[in-house]
Amino acid sequence: AQSVSQHNHHVILSEAASLELGCNYSYGGTVNLFWYVQYPGQHLQLLLKYFSGDPLVKGIKGFEAEFIKSKFSFNLRKPSVQWSDTAEYFCAVISNFGNEKLTFGTGTRLTIIP
Amino acid sequence: DAGVTQSPTHLIKTRGQQVTLRCSPKSGHDTVSWYQQALGQGPQFIFQYYEEEERQRGNFPDRFSGHQFPNYSSELNVNALLLGDSALYLCASSFRDRSYGYTFGSGTRLTVV
Repeated sequence: AQSVSQHNHHVILSEAASLELGCNYSYGGTVNLFWYVQYPGQHLQLLLKYFSGDPLVKGIKGFEAEFIKSKFSFNLRKPSVQWSDTAEYFCAVISNFGNEKLTFGTGTRLTIIP
Repeated sequence: DAGVTQSPTHLIKTRGQQVTLRCSPKSGHDTVSWYQQALGQGPQFIFQYYEEEERQRGNFPDRFSGHQFPNYSSELNVNALLLGDSALYLCASSFRDRSYGYTFGSGTRLTVV
């Protein structure tokens, strides 16, 4: 069964600091990977996704993620965070064949201090 | 604007009652999935509907059932509500091949008292 681990439960950074949020998944086959963001009181929004090809994926709002197959990781990065990045971030995985279940991690709460 | 519309936004029910939640997918999407998000947790997959049939189900009891209509909208029904059913219920829509990912609605906050 597929699973996702997000080891950072709460991250606090100052504005302009660099960000890296960890995501590891467990599934031996081909996967699709996603990062979603949930701003306070808002719906889940897709930040970026990886299906195939270039393992470095660029998303919206300056976020990027790197798929490292050998490490089963899909870490989210941003070189310089802003106060408006304060939100909950979820990593999610879905296996590529015959499965419709998107499995989410428990989320990382990011707080940016002005 | 999420593109996916869910109603109602909030709901309070008594233990043992039944509830129906509704979802209209993003325009052009034909597949609807439902998720339960407990406080402080990531969303958990309940089931997915495509072509008016349940295609896959997560680890939820039969008290959770659904339906998809010809216009692709969907309902989630929960019978014999338990206190533990209190959660945010999310609807996600997509194309069948999920080529552009999943679009989530704002959810229905269900409180069972």
